Amino acid sequence: GQQVMQIPQYQHVQEGEDFTTYCNSSTTLSNIQWYKQRPGGHPVFLIQLVKSGEVKKQKRLTFQFGEAKKNSSLHITATQTTDVGTYFCAGRGSSNTGKLIFGQGTTLQVKP
Amino acid sequence: DGGITQSPKYLFRKEGQNVTLSCEQNLNHDAMYWYRQDPGQGLRLIYYSQIVNDFQKGDIAEGYSVSREKKESFPLTVTSAQKNPTAFYLCATGTGGRSNQPQHFGDGTRLSIL
Repeated sequence: GQQVMQIPQYQHVQEGEDFTTYCNSSTTLSNIQWYKQRPGGHPVFLIQLVKSGEVKKQKRLTFQFGEAKKNSSLHITATQTTDVGTYFCAGRGSSNTGKLIFGQGTTLQVKP
Repeated sequence: DGGITQSPKYLFRKEGQNVTLSCEQNLNHDAMYWYRQDPGQGLRLIYYSQIVNDFQKGDIAEGYSVSREKKESFPLTVTSAQKNPTAFYLCATGTGGRSNQPQHFGDGTRLSIL
C-alpha cells in the first residue's frame, strides 16, 4: 500500500540554527499537507501544497513539493523555542476517500 | 480544534473489557476519522466514515469497531480483542471526498491498561 516516509525521526538544534525535515512517498500524491503537534497536544494544520514544484512560505517556514509530487520538505530558518514539537507530513493519493497517509513525524527539540 | 470534542481525556481499561471513546463535532463535516498514535509511529488510521451510516476500515481496524448513526458523532469502541490498546487516540473531521481541505483534530483520548 501507499507509504509516506519521513526523516529524521528526531532533531536537536541550538536556538537560531536551521532545521529541515523530509518526506517521501512511494506513489505520486495529489497533494501534501503539513501538520504540527506541540507536546501533549493534537496535530494542527500548517499548510497544503498541490502543484508540482510548489514552494510556499510562512514567516520562517518554507515548504516545498517535489517536481514528481512524491517528496516534500519543511525548512525552518533560525529556529526558536516556540518551534518545538513534532512535524508531520500527510499525503493524499488519487482516491476519493479523503484519506491522508501520515509520515512518522519529526520531533524537533530546540535548546535555548 | 474548536468544534471537535473527544471524551474522556484519560481512560483506563481492564483486561477483557470493551471501552468506548466519544467524538462529537459541530463543524458540519461529512467525514470523520479515528487515528491511533504511538511514540515514533506517527498517526495510523483505524476507521473512517464519509457519510452517515457508512464507514470503512483503515490500516489497523482489528480489535476496534465504530458506528456513524449521526453526522455529529463517530464513537470508537476498543474491544477486548485489541491486545495492545495503550495509545493516544485522535478523532479528526474533514470535508472528505476529493476535497483538498485539511483535517481538524480533537484533543485526543489517552487509553491505558489497568
